[in-house]
Amino acid sequence: AQSVTQPDIHITVSEGASLELRCNYSYGATPYLFWYVQPPGQGLQLLLKYFSGDTLVQGIKGFEAEFKRSQSSFNLRKPSVHWSDAAEYFCAVAPGSGGYQKVTFGTGTKLQVIP
Amino acid sequence: EPEVTQTPSHQVTQMGQEVILRCVPISNHLYFYWYRQILGQKVEFLVSFYNNEISEKSEIFDDQFSVERPDGSNFTLKIRSTKLEDSAMYFCASSENGDEAFFGQGTRLTVV
Repeated sequence: AQSVTQPDIHITVSEGASLELRCNYSYGATPYLFWYVQPPGQGLQLLLKYFSGDTLVQGIKGFEAEFKRSQSSFNLRKPSVHWSDAAEYFCAVAPGSGGYQKVTFGTGTKLQVIP
Repeated sequence: EPEVTQTPSHQVTQMGQEVILRCVPISNHLYFYWYRQILGQKVEFLVSFYNNEISEKSEIFDDQFSVERPDGSNFTLKIRSTKLEDSAMYFCASSENGDEAFFGQGTRLTVV
């Protein structure tokens, strides 16, 4: 069965600092990988996704993520964080074939941005 | 930009009552999903729906739950007899081709 681990429950960074959110997955084959953001009191918004090809994926709002098969990781990065990035971030994995049928979400990382 | 719309945004119901959560998926999408997020916990898959039938469901989706696409635009989740532990944020999502999904803003269900 697939699983996702986000080891950091809560991260605090200063505005303008760089950010890296960690995600490790467990799945027998190459999965589909996603990062979602959930601003306070709002729904989930897709930041980026990886299906195949280039392992460095660019997303919205200046985010990027790198798929590293050898480490089973899909870490999310942003070079300079803005106060509006404060939110909860979820990594998610789905079977590479059969698509989005049964996405498994991680437990989330809550990002706090301080001035 | 097209979006998934969910109503109501917040529903309070008494334990044992039936509730129907409504969703309007993006119009050309063919795959539909319900997820829930209990407060402070992770987002959990409930059910997926394609071609007018359930394609997959989780262990959470027991006989108390049902889904329906009553017309060409709505996708509903019914909970037959609500329990306190059904209190959660329920997210509807839709997908054009089954590869990625777009989520609605969610319905917060509070069972009292």
